[in-house]
Amino acid sequence: QVQLQESGPGLVKPSETLSLTCAVSGYSISSGSGYYWGWIRQPPGKGLDWIGSIYHNGDTYYNPSLKSRVTISVDTSRNQFSLKLSSVTAADTAVYYCARRGGGGIDFWGQGALVTVSS
Amino acid sequence: DIQMTQSPSTLSASVGDRVTITCWASQSISSWLAWYQQKPGKAPKLLIYKTSRLESGVPSRFSGSGSGTEFTLTISSLQPDDSATYYCQYYNSYSGTFGGGTKVEIK
Repeated sequence: QVQLQESGPGLVKPSETLSLTCAVSGYSISSGSGYYWGWIRQPPGKGLDWIGSIYHNGDTYYNPSLKSRVTISVDTSRNQFSLKLSSVTAADTAVYYCARRGGGGIDFWGQGALVTVSS
Repeated sequence: DIQMTQSPSTLSASVGDRVTITCWASQSISSWLAWYQQKPGKAPKLLIYKTSRLESGVPSRFSGSGSGTEFTLTISSLQPDDSATYYCQYYNSYSGTFGGGTKVEIK
């Protein structure tokens, strides 16, 4: 069974960089096989917002509205991938999910990590 | 960018009712459309992918249809456990835009 687990600080100061890591178990990211590894966020009480995704070879795809501030990277040796979001504001407060997506949509999700931006 | 719009934003129906949620894409997205169910405090759960394919383990009362720019999720006989928010998503190699969500309440 594929499992994903987010980790990282739950509180980030405005203007700083939010950093999260997603550890994957039960599947090797380096297998490729058409699976993309990505991040989705959900502000409190609001809908889902796709942030971006990465393929095992390092190809990245970002939401145009966040592209200037987002970096997603992959570490196949540790079977994990990471999110960095720079210059955060209160509007970036959200539950951040990591997920696996294939040709059949997002089939596995992490449990979600609440990140609050506040001084 | 392709935008996804869902309607209605909320709906209230009785157990046993047939419920339909519609999702529109701002341009043709072929069949790369998925539907998810999310309950409070939980990660979303995949229901339907490639417009009409039922994810393993999902009850057969859920179905999806559509093509091009208009897609629907239908619950043939609403059950109490179906109280949740439903999202459509356009997905391909480089995108994953979600619709705004539809909250389904049981009367």
